[in-house]
Amino acid sequence: DAGVTQSPTHLIKTRGQQVTLRCSPKSGHDTVSWYQQALGQGPQFIFQYYEEEERQRGNFPDRFSGHQFPNYSSELNVNALLLGDSALYLCASSRRGASTDTQYFGPGTRLTVL
Amino acid sequence: LAKTTQPISMDSYEGQEVNITCSHNNIATNDYITWYQQFPSQGPRFIIQGYKTKVKNEVASLFIPADRKSSTLSLPRVSLSDTAVYYCLVGDGYSGAGSYQLTFGKGTKLSVIP
Repeated sequence: DAGVTQSPTHLIKTRGQQVTLRCSPKSGHDTVSWYQQALGQGPQFIFQYYEEEERQRGNFPDRFSGHQFPNYSSELNVNALLLGDSALYLCASSRRGASTDTQYFGPGTRLTVL
Repeated sequence: LAKTTQPISMDSYEGQEVNITCSHNNIATNDYITWYQQFPSQGPRFIIQGYKTKVKNEVASLFIPADRKSSTLSLPRVSLSDTAVYYCLVGDGYSGAGSYQLTFGKGTKLSVIP
């Protein structure tokens, strides 16, 4: 049973560029959430996707957008990259309707903006 | 979402039992308590979740008093590999609305000493 997978592992971009990160949820899960984790901080919620729609959103600008595909996988897109966007981006999956919505995290994508 | 308070850091010798206490005075009736473990540059790993009294699994125990305003994660006989950041979170369990966003604090950095 594969867990949550993310790609790529590492990514280096320059300011102003755009980036796309990918996530495949754990088998049997239909909900994907994205988090940003700066160095030394806890993960911060970006948004959550279910049934191919954004259902909840944290305090992040519109430069952060996402998509969920029919197979439940998801993408996170960040436009006009800033130096402050450098962080570990985490994807978490869960199953909506379960008795408790435990979220399982992937290994993350380390994004460095130069 | 209920705010949590936990110690910033803790030290322990190998083989000892470690107890990390988390305060969540404003916990709501529907909120579950969840603990995650995170190693550097990796995604958080689910450890244990509970609603009241005591929960135990192969990794840890979770003690929740009757008023649910705090909880204690107990790690038996820690080893060097248990050195990590431990996060305590509270949030809705299944309430018909499905998955919820996780709000992480800074966590407790546990250092296990040989």
